[in-house]
Amino acid sequence: AQSVTQLGSHVSVSEGALVLLRCNYSSSVPPYLFWYVQYPNQGLQLLLKYTTGATLVKGINGFEAEFKKSETSFHLTKPSAHMSDAAEYFCAVSDFSGGGADGLTFGKGTHLIIQP
Amino acid sequence: DADVTQTPRNRITKTGKRIMLECSQTKGHDRMYWYRQDPGLGLRLIYYSFDVKDINKGEISDGYSVSRQAQAKFSLSLESAIPNQTALYFCATSNPGQGANGYTFGSGTRLTVV
Repeated sequence: AQSVTQLGSHVSVSEGALVLLRCNYSSSVPPYLFWYVQYPNQGLQLLLKYTTGATLVKGINGFEAEFKKSETSFHLTKPSAHMSDAAEYFCAVSDFSGGGADGLTFGKGTHLIIQP
Repeated sequence: DADVTQTPRNRITKTGKRIMLECSQTKGHDRMYWYRQDPGLGLRLIYYSFDVKDINKGEISDGYSVSRQAQAKFSLSLESAIPNQTALYFCATSNPGQGANGYTFGSGTRLTVV
C-alpha cells in the first residue's frame, strides 16, 4: 500500500522568501510522484511530476522538486514566493502497476500562506 | 470544452435524497476515478473503473455507488445523502499507456447536504 505524508498543514512565508513544502512517501514499487496545486474555489492543477530519470524536476510557476529515494522524499521548493502562490498544495504517489487501484494516493495537503 | 466535465458544479440537497453526480470525458481514457476532498484530509478514492465492465471500490465507498454507462461516462450516486457527505468531489481519468502524463481531473462538484 502506498501512503503520503505532508509535513505541516499550514506553511507561512514572506513574499520573496524561499518556499519549502515537505512530502514523504511510502511505496512498495518505484513510485511516480506528483505535486498538485489548488487555488481557492478551483480544481487541481499539476505542478510537476517525477517518473524516471533526472531526480530534480522542474515544474510550472518556478517550482521544482527533488526525488530522494534514500529519504523517500519529494519536497517542493520555490526560491522566491509570490503572493499568487497562496494556495493548497497536494503531494501524490502512484505506482502505475496496473495490478490494483492505480489511482493517485494523496497527502492531506499543505495550505501555503504568503505574508506581504 | 474541458477534457473532463463534471455536472453539476454546485449542488445543495437535503438529507435522505438520492443524488447523482456526472462525469464525462473526451480524453478517450479507459480508467476513471471518483475522489472526495475534505478540508485537512486531502483527496480520497471512492470508486474506480478500468473499463465499462470493471468497477472497483476505493478507500471510502460506503454510502456511494457508481455506474459506468460508457467509456466516456462515469456517474457517482449517493443513494440517501447524509450531511457528512458534504464535500468537494472530483472525477479523474487516466491512461496507463501514457504513463504519468495520463491523469486528468475535472473541475469538481461541490455538494452540500443539509
